[in-house]
Amino acid sequence: NAGVTQTPKFRILKIGQSMTLQCAQDMNHNYMYWYRQDPGMGLKLIYYSVGAGITDKGEVPNGYNVSRSTTEDFPLRLELAAPSQTSVYFCASSYGLEMANVLTFGAGSRLTVL
Amino acid sequence: DQQVKQNSPSLSVQEGRISILNCDYTNSMFDYFLWYKKYPAEGPTFLISISSIKDKNEDGRFTVFLNKSAKHLSLHIVPSQPGDSAVYFCAASIRGNTGKLIFGQGTTLQVKP
Repeated sequence: NAGVTQTPKFRILKIGQSMTLQCAQDMNHNYMYWYRQDPGMGLKLIYYSVGAGITDKGEVPNGYNVSRSTTEDFPLRLELAAPSQTSVYFCASSYGLEMANVLTFGAGSRLTVL
Repeated sequence: DQQVKQNSPSLSVQEGRISILNCDYTNSMFDYFLWYKKYPAEGPTFLISISSIKDKNEDGRFTVFLNKSAKHLSLHIVPSQPGDSAVYFCAASIRGNTGKLIFGQGTTLQVKP
């Protein structure tokens, strides 16, 4: 039982490049989330999904896109990378309903934009 | 504007003593609060939670207290153990269980043997 798996763990991008952060969970969770954590700051919600085919913006969605074609996968797309997107990105999932706030996080993907 | 604040970046305690981590919030619409623990190079893990209809919740060595009038919550760890050394995040949500959490900046706890 792997939980939430994120790839890659580390990536360096040049300004203007694009990439996709992959996230997969094997717990049959309905809800999935992308958070980012900047140095010395708390995690901020980028996008979330309550089920396959349903996504919505969080607190800081600009510069990102998501899709949810299956229950298991929730990739995060960065278009035209900017230095402000240098951060650690965490994917998370939860059962939803009364357990929605109990998130299971992946180990994180550290992204540097130069 | 920081809606959830952890004003102490770090805390150091001796093994066996009590650790008290504090968290303040500004949004009176928050109705569910959680604590997450994070070790280096890992994602946060859920520790304990409390609904706004309660003022205390216990789980083993961990107790969370909520003071709604002061918009303040605290996490007590008794007794503290070296394995508790980690970053602790306070988080809050609006309208109950949504998973859309607002996190504090985190407090790094060091428990010395």
